[in-house]
Parts: sequence; C-alpha cells; structure tokens
Amino acid sequence: EAQVTQNPRYLITVTGKKLTVTCSQNMNHEYMSWYRQDPGLGLRQIYYSMNVEVTDKGDVPEGYKVSRKEKRNFPLILESPSPNQTSLYFCASSLSNPGTGVSDTQYFGPGTRLTVL
Amino acid sequence: LAKTTQPISMDSYEGQEVNITCSHNNIATNDYITWYQQFPSQGPRFIIQGYKTKVTNEVASLFIPADRKSSTLSLPRVSLSDTAVYYCLVGGDSGAGSYQLTFGKGTKLSVIP
Repeated sequence: EAQVTQNPRYLITVTGKKLTVTCSQNMNHEYMSWYRQDPGLGLRQIYYSMNVEVTDKGDVPEGYKVSRKEKRNFPLILESPSPNQTSLYFCASSLSNPGTGVSDTQYFGPGTRLTVL
Repeated sequence: LAKTTQPISMDSYEGQEVNITCSHNNIATNDYITWYQQFPSQGPRFIIQGYKTKVTNEVASLFIPADRKSSTLSLPRVSLSDTAVYYCLVGGDSGAGSYQLTFGKGTKLSVIP
C-alpha cells in the first residue's frame, strides 16, 4: 500500500531533550516536506527536500533540522526542543517538485503530536 | 512567495452547493493552485488542482479567473461527510531554485443537516 508513515505518532518530552521524528514513503517520491499545524495558523512548511542530499528552508525552519540521506526517508530533528514547538507535525511527499502539475500532488502522513514540557 | 487568504469558516445545509474562495494576489507564473481537505486527526488529502480556467473532477470544481489572483473551490450538493477544513495551496518553481509551498490558514466548513 502506497503511504507515508511517521513515528512516533505521539510524543511527550521535556525542554532541551533532543528528539527525532521519522518519516518514510514507499512511493519513490522526489519531493518531501515537513509541516507543523497550530490552531488558527493552518499548515506551515518547516523544511523541504527536492531529492537526496538536497534540502531547503520553508516558512518556519528555526529550531529544526532535517536530512535526506535516502530517497524514502526524511527525518525531522529537534536538537533542543522548546515548549513553542509543541504542535502537530505532518510529513508529506510528492512524485515531483511543486509546479509540475498533477504529479506534484502531496501525500500526507498521519501526523505526530508533539508536546514539549 | 504567494500568500493565500481564505474565509475562516463557512456553514452550509446539506444538499447545497458550497463555494470557497482563496485569494492569492502574488501568485507567480509557475504556480499551480491546489486544494486539500482535512478531517480531524488526519493528514490533508488532495481534492483538485488547476492552473487556469476551470477544472472539474468527480468531487469538485475549481474556477480560476484569467488574472489567477483568486480561485474558487466548488463542492456540489454537500453532505455531512464534507464537514472538514479546506486548504488552498499555491506553489511552484519560483525560478530561483526555491520550491517552498505556502498553505492558507484553511476554511472550516460545517455542513448542517
């Protein structure tokens, strides 16, 4: 089954404790992206990747890191989480980069709810 | 980057047609307009995409005027199961090697029996 998976689905942690949220897709997609969703603010892009070893900042990259060592995986790293990073996080992937038409449809993972105390 | 503006919420009765408009005044030449639907506790899912004029699929229509500074998602004869948040997304190759995507804040559609 074609899908985007995220782990963990729920995470409660404390300020300053490094954490990684994994994202994996099995559709051989080129473009992958991380978003955070907060009440009243909608979906905001954190980082995106156009291909292996190619990543770039989205709207709200501060406090986050990403890597794309393999095509299927795109982990989100919080080196020193703070309470303002408490949010719902979504990973997404698409066959091609945005602006290419139908093949840039994004497929979203189920979300990771992160609470930083 | 093209910012998008949508109404925060809308109410509609079952069986009615619903039109949700998104403004994107700074849309770039290469940007496509895509709409997503999101149910609570789920990731967004694709509804429809267009570049200009009108696009129709089995669930919705998308109207884009010639200047492309806005777009309207049309849902025919909504049912209770259409209650969700609808997002407008504008994005493409900015020409400077940037493929950043900007979602609107979403429109919460409530369908009333």
